Amino acid sequence: GAVVSQHPSWVICKSGTSVKIECRSLDFQATTMFWYRQFPKQSLMLMATSNEGSKATYEQGVEKDKFLINHASLTLSTLTVTSAHPEDSSFYICSASWRSSYNEQFFGPGTRLTVL
Amino acid sequence: EDQVTQSPEALRLQEGESSSLNCSYTVSGLRGLFWYRQDPGKGPEFLFTLYSAGEEKEKERLKATLTKKESFLHITAPKPEDSATYLCAAQTGANNLFFGTGTRLTVIP
Repeated sequence: GAVVSQHPSWVICKSGTSVKIECRSLDFQATTMFWYRQFPKQSLMLMATSNEGSKATYEQGVEKDKFLINHASLTLSTLTVTSAHPEDSSFYICSASWRSSYNEQFFGPGTRLTVL
Repeated sequence: EDQVTQSPEALRLQEGESSSLNCSYTVSGLRGLFWYRQDPGKGPEFLFTLYSAGEEKEKERLKATLTKKESFLHITAPKPEDSATYLCAAQTGANNLFFGTGTRLTVIP
């Protein structure tokens, strides 16, 4: 149980385009979903927390107009990277929790974004 | 400043050679200390949560312990399939979550 999927697993796009990443909880209802970014050899950085039906809460330094998060249902959250630039190239990972807490959050497999 | 530091950065062990990974933390009001395993190109897999100093948790060959300043992940008689990056993360009193950069473990048959 507690499976979280992400789509796509990898994406390459041109600078200036927008990219949408989906995060789905397959076998449970996720009250809360978290979005992380991981640069090579760096720690996982929390970008934002989203609760179903409400606006996402962004961590300090994360541009909410650039990283649009929608949590439209208890099983789906999307992250849209708008006007992507090469510095946005990273590994984006989502996680889902049914308890609105970091405890027992289940991670997706991640999405590798490369912006040319 | 809230911070989580893991050491060593990389560790190579012979199969069966026990060792410990360290996670030092400096956070305001620790609410939880988490350990995860991450395989290359994948998301982290939850291992343990520790809440208070003195607490210990075990799972197969892994045992996590917590003090007021650090946590250890002890690996007893590791096998090649234990090779992965092990991450720790600390949840602060303000409900922020800080990850360390991980320890990349390689177990050689």
